[in-house]
Amino acid sequence: NAGVTQTPKFQVLKTGQSMTLQCAQDMNHEYMSWYRQDPGMGLRLIHYSVGAGITDQGEVPNGYNVSRSTTEDFPLRLLSAAPSQTSVYFCASSYARASPLHFGNGTRLTVT
Amino acid sequence: TQLLEQSPQFLSIQEGENLTVYCNSSSVFSSLQWYRQEPGEGPVLLVTVVTGGEVKKLKRLTFQFGDARKDSSLHITAAQPGDTGLYLCAVLQAGTALIFGKGTTLSVSS
Repeated sequence: NAGVTQTPKFQVLKTGQSMTLQCAQDMNHEYMSWYRQDPGMGLRLIHYSVGAGITDQGEVPNGYNVSRSTTEDFPLRLLSAAPSQTSVYFCASSYARASPLHFGNGTRLTVT
Repeated sequence: TQLLEQSPQFLSIQEGENLTVYCNSSSVFSSLQWYRQEPGEGPVLLVTVVTGGEVKKLKRLTFQFGDARKDSSLHITAAQPGDTGLYLCAVLQAGTALIFGKGTTLSVSS
């Protein structure tokens, strides 16, 4: 049982480059979300989705796009990477909005 | 304004000591979740508390939800090196999603 799978585990980008962080879950969860984690800042919500075709913004959405074409996948796109986006990114899923989250193991992104 | 305030931010103790960490807010919540995160991994759920005044035990960990459902505490008895990690509390923010506190980093040395 894979749970939530994130790829890649590590990524280095130059300022201005774009990329997509992949997230897939095999638990048939309707709810998925993206968080970023920075030292001393806890987890901050970027975007979330309550089901296929529905997405919404979280606390820190600027510079990121998401889409949810299937229940399983929820990719996060960085349109033009900036050094301020250097962080560890976590994808999570749950049965419902208030249900406990299942997290992936994160993607560590460095923007130079 | 931070919805959830966790304290202390850092805690370094010796094996066998007891400790308590706190999660406080000025808002009322229908439930609160506690997670533990180990280095290089995603957070893992420890417990969900739902009822005001509720106490839940998970081996040496005791979780309490405040009577007014605005705060929660996590008490660890006889801490072990395996308890080392980042402890996070989280609540459902109205209309959005689960929001996390900044966490308490616990280090237990043998």
